[in-house]
Amino acid sequence: GAVVSQHPSRVICKSGTSVKIECRSLDFQATTMFWYRQFPKQSLMLMATSNEGSKATYEQGVEKDKFLINHASLTLSTLTVTSAHPEDSSFYICSAYGQGTDTQYFGPGTRLTVL
Amino acid sequence: AQSVTQPDIHITVSEGASLELRCNYSYGATPYLFWYVQSPGQGLQLLLKYFSGDTLVQGIKGFEAEFKRSQSSFNLRKPSVHWSDAAEYFCAVGRTGNQFYFGTGTSLTVIP
Repeated sequence: GAVVSQHPSRVICKSGTSVKIECRSLDFQATTMFWYRQFPKQSLMLMATSNEGSKATYEQGVEKDKFLINHASLTLSTLTVTSAHPEDSSFYICSAYGQGTDTQYFGPGTRLTVL
Repeated sequence: AQSVTQPDIHITVSEGASLELRCNYSYGATPYLFWYVQSPGQGLQLLLKYFSGDTLVQGIKGFEAEFKRSQSSFNLRKPSVHWSDAAEYFCAVGRTGNQFYFGTGTSLTVIP
């Protein structure tokens, strides 16, 4: 149980375009999901906390207009990178608390490359 | 302030040797502690967790960790390392419903 999926696993886009990444909890309901960004050989940086039915809470320094987060259902959160630029290239990972648990389960990540 | 420190950026061990990865934390309340493993290009897989009770916890893949409150540590151990254990290891601290704080990770290389 407590499986989190992400789609796509890899995406390459041109500078200036927008990219949407989906995060799904497959076998449980997740009222709270988290979006992280990870640079090569570095730890995870929390970008935002996504709450079902309400606005996401962004960490300091994260542009909310650039990284749009929507948590429209209990099993799906999306991260849209708007007007992507090469510096947005990174590994994006989502996570969710397993229902009724104190443990975060992580998706497999999405590798974004902006040309 | 909440923080996690993993002092060892990179560790190299021989296959079959024992392993200990260090983790120290700073957290305002009684922490929940976690160890995750990440293979290249993959997400994080939970190895083990500590919430309360017995301070020595067993996890998957033969890993264990010991919580020492007096030292604010939660070190990960494995008696005999396998080549497939080569990966990045992250220690994390958090509480229910709240964000996790991650260490910077320890990269493990296993040599034959």
